[in-house]
Amino acid sequence: GESVGLHLPTLSVQEGDNSIINCAYSNSASDYFIWYKQESGKGPQFIIDIRSNMDKRQGQRVTVLLNKTVKHLSLQIAATQPGDSAVYFCAESRETSGSRLTFGEGTQLTVNP
Amino acid sequence: NAGVTQTPKFQVLKTGQSMTLQCAQDMNHNSMYWYRQDPGMGLRLIYYSASEGTTDKGEVPNGYNVSRLNKREFSLRLESAAPSQTSVYFCASSRRNTEAFFGQGTRLTVV
Repeated sequence: GESVGLHLPTLSVQEGDNSIINCAYSNSASDYFIWYKQESGKGPQFIIDIRSNMDKRQGQRVTVLLNKTVKHLSLQIAATQPGDSAVYFCAESRETSGSRLTFGEGTQLTVNP
Repeated sequence: NAGVTQTPKFQVLKTGQSMTLQCAQDMNHNSMYWYRQDPGMGLRLIYYSASEGTTDKGEVPNGYNVSRLNKREFSLRLESAAPSQTSVYFCASSRRNTEAFFGQGTRLTVV
């Protein structure tokens, strides 16, 4: 069935290092991808998005890479800070599905001082 | 700007009781969603509404009903609560095929 999945459930990095969080998706018709950050006790917060006609998009300290050939999405966080500790979710949608977002299971990022 | 507002924030129900979770958005979005999140898991779509007057089932609709009251409001009703419905419920809204904005969640416990 359709799914958006993550490779690793947890990731631990040292403060100042770069973090890479990966995500696989199964539906080649997916045309919009989003990364969300969720801190404990809060709702998901939008980080960055990318559409299927792009391979890379950069924001402030974050970069999303999309490889449509292998259906793989990654989130890179530069100079990871303690405030980046959270669960990160990728999500996908398709124009034909009425914009309904399908979420992956999440990766818990822990930043060690 | 309030964004997406959910009420209540916390609720404890007894098995068999009913309740309605309220959600309102002030961003003039057409699409609204209800998700549930169980501990250590991702978000699963219960119902969504692509526009005022329309609603569709998501992945886990059983035991729930929804009402898109107007463009701003989208409510989720549990007719007869069960312990399996203990979860955190998130409402979200978006323009078509763009990022969704989430509320702060309703933490529901069914005993």
